[in-house]
Amino acid sequence: GQSLEQPSEVTAVEGAIVQINCTYQTSGFYGLSWYQQHDGGAPTFLSYNGLDGLEETGRFSSFLSRSDSYGYLLLQELQMKDSASYFCAVQAGNTGKLIFGQGTTLQVKP
Amino acid sequence: SQTIHQWPATLVQPVGSPLSLECTVEGTSNPNLYWYRQAAGRGLQLLFYSVGIGQISSEVPQNLSASRPQDRQFILSSKKLLLSDSGFYLCAWSVPRGLDEQYFGPGTRLTVT
Repeated sequence: GQSLEQPSEVTAVEGAIVQINCTYQTSGFYGLSWYQQHDGGAPTFLSYNGLDGLEETGRFSSFLSRSDSYGYLLLQELQMKDSASYFCAVQAGNTGKLIFGQGTTLQVKP
Repeated sequence: SQTIHQWPATLVQPVGSPLSLECTVEGTSNPNLYWYRQAAGRGLQLLFYSVGIGQISSEVPQNLSASRPQDRQFILSSKKLLLSDSGFYLCAWSVPRGLDEQYFGPGTRLTVT
């Protein structure tokens, strides 16, 4: 089967750094993606890791270790607008279909 | 530029009634198309995906079906809704054989009463 584990909630203060971990079990692994979803809105793409290592996009970075079936999303210089749910998703085949984790709700406090 | 449309935005339907949700994509050709459902406070569950006209793969056996009558049109249907069909339905697209980004539509919030 396929499964992903990520923490359900994380709280941090404005300006801080937070790391959201994701572990997965899947067959036919192609890559790990991260999506952000604000309350009531649609998910938006943040990053993708197809190979081991760190990908950096502005304040957000994502890391993948295929041997450990593990990845994380790192958010730096947190802002209030970063309060949202964050989903890791495994690309489980070359059709592009994604298997999503249950999501981590990030609350940023002043 | 590419855009994705979904309608309606919200829908309240009685148990046992039919359902038809439509999704269209503009500005791209031969996209991969996906239907997801999200229960309140939960992750996204992939329901169907399609890599071409008339090609539908079902991920979860249930009383829903999908069709792709045109290249950029994806329809989610049900003959008889169940209470458990309530949720947030999201359509998404990606480039053919896309291995990274999926682009989501605004979603339809369905309440079955």
